[in-house]
Amino acid sequence: AQSVTQLDSHVSVSEGTPVLLRCNYSSSYSPSLFWYVQHPNKGLQLLLKYTSAATLVKGINGFEAEFKKSETSFHLTKPSAHMSDAAEYFCVVSERTGGGADGLTFGKGTHLIIQP
Amino acid sequence: SQTIHQWPATLVQPVGSPLSLECTVEGTSNPNLYWYRQAAGRGLQLLFYSVGIGQISSEVPQNLSASRPQDRQFILSSKKLLLSDSGFYLCAWSVGQFITDTQYFGPGTRLTVL
Repeated sequence: AQSVTQLDSHVSVSEGTPVLLRCNYSSSYSPSLFWYVQHPNKGLQLLLKYTSAATLVKGINGFEAEFKKSETSFHLTKPSAHMSDAAEYFCVVSERTGGGADGLTFGKGTHLIIQP
Repeated sequence: SQTIHQWPATLVQPVGSPLSLECTVEGTSNPNLYWYRQAAGRGLQLLFYSVGIGQISSEVPQNLSASRPQDRQFILSSKKLLLSDSGFYLCAWSVGQFITDTQYFGPGTRLTVL
């Protein structure tokens, strides 16, 4: 069985400062991990994904995430926050166990607030 | 490139009325298709997924149903809406053998049941 925990429901940072959104996962197999972003009343947009290649994954809009197996973490970071980064962020874990919708699990989301 | 469309964008319906939400994908063949619901303050809930025409798997028993009449068309329906059906409905697609591959989401439909 797999699970994902986003450790903060809300994160507030000032514009121009670093962003850290934390995600821990639990998986019985080698997982794939994703981060999605959702702006208000919009669909989810894929930021980046990890699929057992390089552990440091670079995504769009300056975001990156590092897969740390020993810590079962996949935290999302950005060096300098921009006002347009204000949105809801979802961490997602999946296992290729041969099918079944249970193979994809979404975190509850972290609401990122950017202070001017 | 692939694109995914959903309509309508917003919908206000009375309790007990029928529902039909449509999702279409362009630029790919034989995609896996998904319907999710996102209720206020809650995460995403997978409602249905489909790996081919006429093949529908339901994840949550409820008064909703889904159909896939064409390869790139996915429809979410209800005969009688409940207040609890209000939410943001998202359609998504993926390709590949496993439904756990990367999913790409549509713009969503905001449904309000009064």
